[in-house]
Amino acid sequence: KQEVTQIPAALSVPEGENLVLNCSFTDSAIYNLQWFRQDPGKGLTSLLLIQSSQREQTSGRLNASLDKSSGRSTLYIAASQPGDSATYLCAVETSGSRLTFGEGTQLTVNP
Amino acid sequence: DGGITQSPKYLFRKEGQNVTLSCEQNLNHDAMYWYRQDPGQGLRLIYYSQIVNDFQKGDIAEGYSVSREKKESFPLTVTSAQKNPTAFYLCASRTGVTGELFFGEGSRLTVL
Repeated sequence: KQEVTQIPAALSVPEGENLVLNCSFTDSAIYNLQWFRQDPGKGLTSLLLIQSSQREQTSGRLNASLDKSSGRSTLYIAASQPGDSATYLCAVETSGSRLTFGEGTQLTVNP
Repeated sequence: DGGITQSPKYLFRKEGQNVTLSCEQNLNHDAMYWYRQDPGQGLRLIYYSQIVNDFQKGDIAEGYSVSREKKESFPLTVTSAQKNPTAFYLCASRTGVTGELFFGEGSRLTVL
């Protein structure tokens, strides 16, 4: 059974800092990995999708990497801003159209 | 604007009542999903549908039912058999079997 872990559970940084969020998974036989952002009381917003054949994806200040062999993904946020404050979740897709979600990292960027 | 619309946003239910949560998408997506989110547990899959008139149970389907009569609609009924229905419910959809997943804004159900 696939298990997804996100560490740390919470992170607080000053504005302007570059930061890395971590996601690890136990079964490396994945189709893809997706990073999401969730604001309080809201749905999830897709940030980046990395297919199993890819090593990384970039969108603006965000860069996500994938290392299937070690079961790890990182989300790099450059020059963080207070508007980046949210919970960030990763989800891994294995067989049968099933996504397994981590519990998320709650990020606070302080002005 | 293309997107996924969930309604109602907030819903209160008395014990023993069935309630239906609506999910409509105009993205022309084939696959639709229902997840439940509880504090400290992440998202858990309730039901999913990859084509019209077909759906499969997820990891926590007991006490829930769905239908998929139209491509754009995937309503979820929370029945009185669901023992702990108070939660945040999220609908999602995507095109293809491994594409990017998009979510609605969620429906918060509270059982009084």
